Amino acid sequence: EADIYQTPRYLVIGTGKKITLECSQTMGHDKMYWYQQDPGMELHLIHYSYGVNSTEKGDLSSESTVSRIRTEHFPLTLESARPSHTSQYLCASSDGTGKETQYFGPGTRLLVL
Amino acid sequence: GQSLEQPSEVTAVEGAIVQINCTYQTSGFYGLSWYQQHDGGAPTFLSYNALDGLEETGRFSSFLSRSDSYGYLLLQELQMKDSASYFCAVRSASGGSYIPTFGRGTSLIVHP
Repeated sequence: EADIYQTPRYLVIGTGKKITLECSQTMGHDKMYWYQQDPGMELHLIHYSYGVNSTEKGDLSSESTVSRIRTEHFPLTLESARPSHTSQYLCASSDGTGKETQYFGPGTRLLVL
Repeated sequence: GQSLEQPSEVTAVEGAIVQINCTYQTSGFYGLSWYQQHDGGAPTFLSYNALDGLEETGRFSSFLSRSDSYGYLLLQELQMKDSASYFCAVRSASGGSYIPTFGRGTSLIVHP
């Protein structure tokens, strides 16, 4: 069982609000990722980090930002939520060894009205 | 860029064997992974192939042919609980980083 947590699990919020999705892992993994996934669709990488103070944008353009001040914590922030941000957001971490197995959190389902 | 192709849906009966194919186009290929995701759940890792050949883990096996840019996931003795989406993912080098790219997923429906 992987030790990676996301809060909140569900969030309904109005347009224009600032939100932060939390992700924490207790496995000491250096690599962490944020994915966006619409129902029945593939996972799109939006941000990743290879360690403290390291953040990169992924393949999918996103209006969100991330920070990595501590190894275990990788929050994602939307400064001004819009209905187009409605989706599921999945956080993952990997240990960086050969298989690069990714351990996923339970996800946050976001609905922007 | 990277792209992966896998069937959108596969249907099979309990006890049967099913194969889910994945073809990919990528530069700097390092390996092919498979993940399972149940409805409303998070993806969980199933297998990884970096070299050509078959990897077996219980009822699940995964195959890779690097020369054909092709792999598959084989599920044997299907059970109802195997109904889920299955994603192939490539690990490839991009600008000095190794980033994962996922396919669109294959929905497996297992009938009694």
